[in-house]
Amino acid sequence: EDKVVQSPLSLVVHEGDTVTLNCSYEVTNFRSLLWYKQEKKAPTFLFMLTSSGIEKKSGRLSSILDKKELFSILNITATQTGDSAVYLCAVDLFQGAQKLVFGQGTRLTINP
Amino acid sequence: DTAVSQTPKYLVTQMGNDKSIKCEQNLGHDTMYWYKQDSKKFLKIMFSYNNKELIINETVPNRFSPKSPDKAHLNLHINSLELGDSAVYFCASSHLGGDEKLFFGSGTQLSVL
Repeated sequence: EDKVVQSPLSLVVHEGDTVTLNCSYEVTNFRSLLWYKQEKKAPTFLFMLTSSGIEKKSGRLSSILDKKELFSILNITATQTGDSAVYLCAVDLFQGAQKLVFGQGTRLTINP
Repeated sequence: DTAVSQTPKYLVTQMGNDKSIKCEQNLGHDTMYWYKQDSKKFLKIMFSYNNKELIINETVPNRFSPKSPDKAHLNLHINSLELGDSAVYFCASSHLGGDEKLFFGSGTQLSVL
């Protein structure tokens, strides 16, 4: 069975801290790995990773994929209260269209 | 200029009723999806349509029937609603062969009483 597992499930830190969120996967047909941020409603796209070892960066957020060890990490440096959200990792299995299998998410809380 | 819009945002109904959720995207995408997010926050794919053709149909009860009148619209009709159907339903769209990022709508919170 295709599986995506995120850890930790919940994380509480202080503003300014750096956090690392983990995502491991076991799937039959890997096409890409995606990270989304979900605050109140719609998950919003952060990164798509297809190749191992190439870091993707957007401001204080960065992510990297290891296709040999089957995991990805999402780093957030100098966290702000606005970073508080659920971060979702998903693997695209692609079956004629994108078929995302999601992890259960990491709930990140940034305290001032 | 909402990219993927769903209506209604909230839906409260009795068991046994039939209801529909509508979805429209103005991104010019050719593929649309329905995902279900349960109380444990797991997002799971239900259906995918590409240019009005059903591509992905996960193990979903027959009471759920998607309809795509054109590639910008994908509606979800649910018959004989059950308590277990309570969830948030997300519509999404993407462009196959393009950047393939899924863009999600803001969700429809369905509560079956």
